[in-house]
Amino acid sequence: AQSVTQLDSHVSVSEGTPVLLRCNYSSSYSPSLFWYVQHPNKGLQLLLKYTSAATLVKGINGFEAEFKKSETSFHLTKPSAHMSDAAEYFCVVSERKAAGNKLTFGGGTRVLVKP
Amino acid sequence: DAGVTQSPTHLIKTRGQHVTLRCSPISGHKSVSWYQQVLGQGPQFIFQYYEKEERGRGNFPDRFSARQFPNYSSELNVNALLLGDSALYLCASRRGNTEAFFGQGTRLTVV
Repeated sequence: AQSVTQLDSHVSVSEGTPVLLRCNYSSSYSPSLFWYVQHPNKGLQLLLKYTSAATLVKGINGFEAEFKKSETSFHLTKPSAHMSDAAEYFCVVSERKAAGNKLTFGGGTRVLVKP
Repeated sequence: DAGVTQSPTHLIKTRGQHVTLRCSPISGHKSVSWYQQVLGQGPQFIFQYYEKEERGRGNFPDRFSARQFPNYSSELNVNALLLGDSALYLCASRRGNTEAFFGQGTRLTVV
């Protein structure tokens, strides 16, 4: 069975400072990992994905994440937060199985950016 | 190319009623999945369909059902609505095991 734990339900940062969102996963298979962002009253937008290639993954809007198998982690970072980064972020795991490849979401981290 | 489209965007229903939500995947995507997102929580998997066959089902009661049509569009049906079914229902389409693309969702309110 697969599962995802986002270690912080809320993160507050000042504009221009780094952002770190922590994610740990559990998977019985070689997983694919994703980070999605959800702005208020919007659908989910893909930020980046890991699918067993490079362990450091670069995404849109300056975000990047590092896959660490030994730590079963996939933390999301951004060097300098912008006001538009205020949103909810979800870490997601997917396993490739013959019976399907459902996505399992973490509980989400709400990011507040202070001016 | 159009993204994933869902209809309706908002819906208000009364307890005990039935609801049908619709989803059109991205052209060329044969896999459609449905997720329920209750306020303040992450989305929960309900169903996955691939090539018109159910490939996975989450921990939801039999009141929830779905189907996929030959053009790969999909419907999610919920019978005997409960207040707790109030949520954002998200549809996602995928090509293989790549990333999922989500629609804007259908906001269902049960009163």
